[in-house]
Amino acid sequence: QKEVEQNSGPLSVPEGAIASLNCTYSDRGSQSFFWYRQYSGKSPELIMFIYSNGDKEDGRFTAQLNKASQYVSLLIRDSQPSDSATYLCAVGYSNYQLIWGAGTKLIIKP
Amino acid sequence: GAGVSQSPSNKVTEKGKDVELRCDPISGHTALYWYRQSLGQGLEFLIYFQGNSAPDKSGLPSDRFSAERTGGSVSTLTIQRTQQEDSAVYLCASSLVLLAGSTDTQYFGPGTRLTVL
Repeated sequence: QKEVEQNSGPLSVPEGAIASLNCTYSDRGSQSFFWYRQYSGKSPELIMFIYSNGDKEDGRFTAQLNKASQYVSLLIRDSQPSDSATYLCAVGYSNYQLIWGAGTKLIIKP
Repeated sequence: GAGVSQSPSNKVTEKGKDVELRCDPISGHTALYWYRQSLGQGLEFLIYFQGNSAPDKSGLPSDRFSAERTGGSVSTLTIQRTQQEDSAVYLCASSLVLLAGSTDTQYFGPGTRLTVL
């Protein structure tokens, strides 16, 4: 069974610090990986995707992928209170389906 | 351009009634997905459309749930004889043509909050 695991949190991080969110997956054949952010009462919105091993940076966000360890992470630098949300990891399985983690709740403390 | 839209945004119904939820995907997106999210829970996959056909209906919880898509665009999710456990937010997502061997980004609508009394 394809699985995506995330620590449910909450993860509490001081404002201005780096928030590190982690995700592991079971399907070695997966080739696409996504991070979504979901504010309370809202729908998920894409933060970034990553396909290749290594780091991908977009502003304050960096996604890291290690296919050998079946591990993907999201770093948020200079965390702001507006970053407080639930972060969903999604892993591509087959050519259409995403397997979703349950999400990590992140709280940025001013 | 316009994103994914869903209607209604909120729906309150009585147990046993039928409801229809509508999704209008991003123009040109051939793939369409329905998910369900109960309070405080993760996303539960319901059904996937490619064009007007639904190659994966494996997530539909019971035969009370059905969905269709017409013209490769608008989709309707129908729940017959609603039960209290159907109360949840129903999310629709769409994506562009899928590349072989990879999964394309899914863009979500705002959701329909269904409450069954």
